[in-house]
Amino acid sequence: EDQVTQSPEALRLQEGESSSLNCSYTVSGLRGLFWYRQDPGKGPEFLFTLYSAGEEKEKERLKATLTKKESFLHITAPKPEDSATYLCAVQAWNTGNQFYFGTGTSLTVIP
Amino acid sequence: SQTIHQWPATLVQPVGSPLSLECTVEGTSNPNLYWYRQAAGRGLQLLFYSVGIGQISSEVPQNLSASRPQDRQFILSSKKLLLSDSGFYLCAWRGAGYNNEQFFGPGTRLTVL
Repeated sequence: EDQVTQSPEALRLQEGESSSLNCSYTVSGLRGLFWYRQDPGKGPEFLFTLYSAGEEKEKERLKATLTKKESFLHITAPKPEDSATYLCAVQAWNTGNQFYFGTGTSLTVIP
Repeated sequence: SQTIHQWPATLVQPVGSPLSLECTVEGTSNPNLYWYRQAAGRGLQLLFYSVGIGQISSEVPQNLSASRPQDRQFILSSKKLLLSDSGFYLCAWRGAGYNNEQFFGPGTRLTVL
């Protein structure tokens, strides 16, 4: 069964303290891996799409990378405004239009 | 540019009452549309998706139903709400092309009492 697991569940960082969030997946043929940011009470906001192992995408302090089994979201010198829940989702070739989401990592950046 | 709307933003309903949540998309044609439910501490659960008018796929057996009366309109309904229907309901759209990401609406917070 296709699964997406995110770790850690929660992460507290001091402002400026870099770290990484993990998304591991088991799907039969990855079609795409997606990262989202979700603020409390709001819909997820799209960040990145990764398609193949070795691919990297960057946006401001965020950098997403992909291997054959997992993806990392690296946060460099985070600021309090980076506090949010980060969700990972995958789309597999054998499931067509469906997307499978992890339960997310809740990030808190302390000033 | 494309935008997605959901209403209402919040809803409090008694057990056994009906439900109708609406989602509309602007700025795109023939999108794939999705309904998700997000419970506290849990991931997004796919409820329904649609690839075209009148075409609905259901992923989870439940007392909810979905309809797509127009190309950019997606409706989530129930005839009788259960306590377990409480949650955060999210609508999303995706371009009909290849490997396109999903974009989410602002969500509806439903509380069933």
